[in-house]
Amino acid sequence: QQPVQSPQAVILREGEDAVINCSSSKALYSVHWYRQKHGEAPVFLMILLKGGEQKGHEKISASFNEKKQQSSLYLTASQLSYSGTYFCGTEVGSGNTGKLIFGQGTTLQVKP
Amino acid sequence: DVKVTQSSRYLVKRTGEKVFLECVQDMDHENMFWYRQDPGLGLRLIYFSYDVKMKEKGDIPEGYSVSREKKERFSLILESASTNQTSMYLCASHTGGSGANVLTFGAGSRLTVL
Repeated sequence: QQPVQSPQAVILREGEDAVINCSSSKALYSVHWYRQKHGEAPVFLMILLKGGEQKGHEKISASFNEKKQQSSLYLTASQLSYSGTYFCGTEVGSGNTGKLIFGQGTTLQVKP
Repeated sequence: DVKVTQSSRYLVKRTGEKVFLECVQDMDHENMFWYRQDPGLGLRLIYFSYDVKMKEKGDIPEGYSVSREKKERFSLILESASTNQTSMYLCASHTGGSGANVLTFGAGSRLTVL
């Protein structure tokens, strides 16, 4: 039931790009992306709604393919501050319950 | 800013002890959640609540119960702690209603059961 994230881990140099994928076996109402830095709470980055509406973060973008039940998070020109673990959270059904099922996480490390 | 406060950052308990993890939010949010975080498994939903005295099971409720007597407080209870419940526990809240809303998480409670 958990969505599957890939890759599990990424190591980048500053300025490089990365893509994190999230795939679900269920029809989705929305996909949320969160980032968690070591020792801290997960923090909201981006939400993608069924129907194409997108809200989120200035330097990070995402896509949502409803038919394939997949979402991808794009981090361009990565900065050291991008390091952390990224989680996608999927919401099924009619939506807006706040009940998210999260993937296993993708650890991103950005090196100078 | 919405604040979700978990009262204990670190706890060490013995097998068989009863454990209470407390979570308080200050923004009058309707919905509250307890997740468990383990390496390689991500965040897994234990229980959630849409209103006072209401609760619903998540994906891994076994060995846990919850209490929501007041809107701002959501407690996770381990009736008899076991070593396989050693984990990071995250509480979150959500405003509910219409529109696209997000979860706000607490900083987490790291529980070690010996």
